[in-house]
Amino acid sequence: IQLTQSPSFLSASIGDRVTITCRASQAIGYYLVWYQQKPGEAPKLLIYEASTLQSGVPSRFSGSGSGTAFTLTISSLQPEDFATYYCQQVNSFPRTFGGGTKVEIK
Amino acid sequence: EVQLVESGGGLVKPGGSLRLSCVASGFTFGAHSMHWVRQAPGKGLEWVSSISTSSSFIYYADSVKGRFTISRDNAKNSLFLQLNNLRAEDTALYYCARKRIQVPAAIDFWGQGTLVTVSS
Repeated sequence: IQLTQSPSFLSASIGDRVTITCRASQAIGYYLVWYQQKPGEAPKLLIYEASTLQSGVPSRFSGSGSGTAFTLTISSLQPEDFATYYCQQVNSFPRTFGGGTKVEIK
Repeated sequence: EVQLVESGGGLVKPGGSLRLSCVASGFTFGAHSMHWVRQAPGKGLEWVSSISTSSSFIYYADSVKGRFTISRDNAKNSLFLQLNNLRAEDTALYYCARKRIQVPAAIDFWGQGTLVTVSS
């Protein structure tokens, strides 16, 4: 299963609403996970089952979608949110990641 | 505190071998399926392999199948990845990662990684 993230890069300002899309090459139900990775750090789990927020993750992060189309939304971008975001399908093996979306400061 | 500490990376020539290790602490290792995920320099994440709690179910990415072998020792809270017939494109930071116990699956904790460099 191929995952295509868009955009691959986006420039945004503090307080902006940001939306990242992840499309799967075939239906995966709700088996989609989102991770955040900051430079020099390991990835961090944000959202699983397409829309369930991992414990401790701020509520400005939300996920939606099912089947083949998914979105990660940050409702009001904060300085600590500048990072690269990856989606991963956990519907079947081999597990696959999207190519990533780098969010940078405008 | 949950910890995953990888080791065993290094510089190796094409065709060579390495054995990566990951020692877990702070949680019941034997209750979690485990993964290896890699990241080439400046690139995205690539899932490599997974192993179930009792080693009954093992999966590999097509890019490493037949060359890499995942294993675990629950008595020693350890995860391993044997890398054989290494290629330049295997150069990456290799992360040991824990699958959350609950379903559906997700990786809920990652180590800091061990760097594998394949070069002549």
